[in-house]
Amino acid sequence: GESVGLHLPTLSVQEGDNSIINCAYSNSASDYFIWYKQESGKGPQFIIDIRSNMDKRQGQRVTVLLNKTVKHLSLQIAATQPGDSAVYFCAENYGGNQFYFGTGTSLTVIP
Amino acid sequence: DAMVIQNPRYQVTQFGKPVTLSCSQTLNHNVMYWYQQKSSQAPKLLFHYYDKDFNNEADTPDNFQSRRPNTSFCFLDIRSPGLGDAAMYLCATRSTQGRETQYFGPGTRLLVL
Repeated sequence: GESVGLHLPTLSVQEGDNSIINCAYSNSASDYFIWYKQESGKGPQFIIDIRSNMDKRQGQRVTVLLNKTVKHLSLQIAATQPGDSAVYFCAENYGGNQFYFGTGTSLTVIP
Repeated sequence: DAMVIQNPRYQVTQFGKPVTLSCSQTLNHNVMYWYQQKSSQAPKLLFHYYDKDFNNEADTPDNFQSRRPNTSFCFLDIRSPGLGDAAMYLCATRSTQGRETQYFGPGTRLLVL
């Protein structure tokens, strides 16, 4: 599979602060990206997605930014809460059915 | 209501003893996936079915096989489990109509003794 990497393996933030999780992807043909949240002992849960014809997409408390020039993806979580503590993965798709996951970032929210 | 169901949640097998993991879905999605996830690592795609068409990843060992007898069910067969096959196995589904994200089951944690 293709390489999708994350810059930061762990991230600790204070409750109420904003979190930014980064992802670098290597396949310039990738045109669809998903952020997943995975809690301990559970399967990945969809958070937000973005297509390559967009550079920003907002959800509830989350925003995904896509910079195709440098092949970089970020997930911003506003007003981080203890329930946001989990591992976050980005995944990329380049037109077929396969989705390839990045390394993952473990987010810890400090009360 | 559970949409992607994996049974069992925990499976213990012996070294070299064949084991089958099960996945079922109530979403009627046409694509089903199997991922392997080892501790503190990302899910690694093993293979997927697009309808009845099986698509293997190039680096998936021959020891891993899959069956999809109908739309709702998909099985992962490990013919001769080794200690290195101990992992969480995740099943996911996706529809190629409309929204394109994957839906994951809770996973089956496999222990090889």
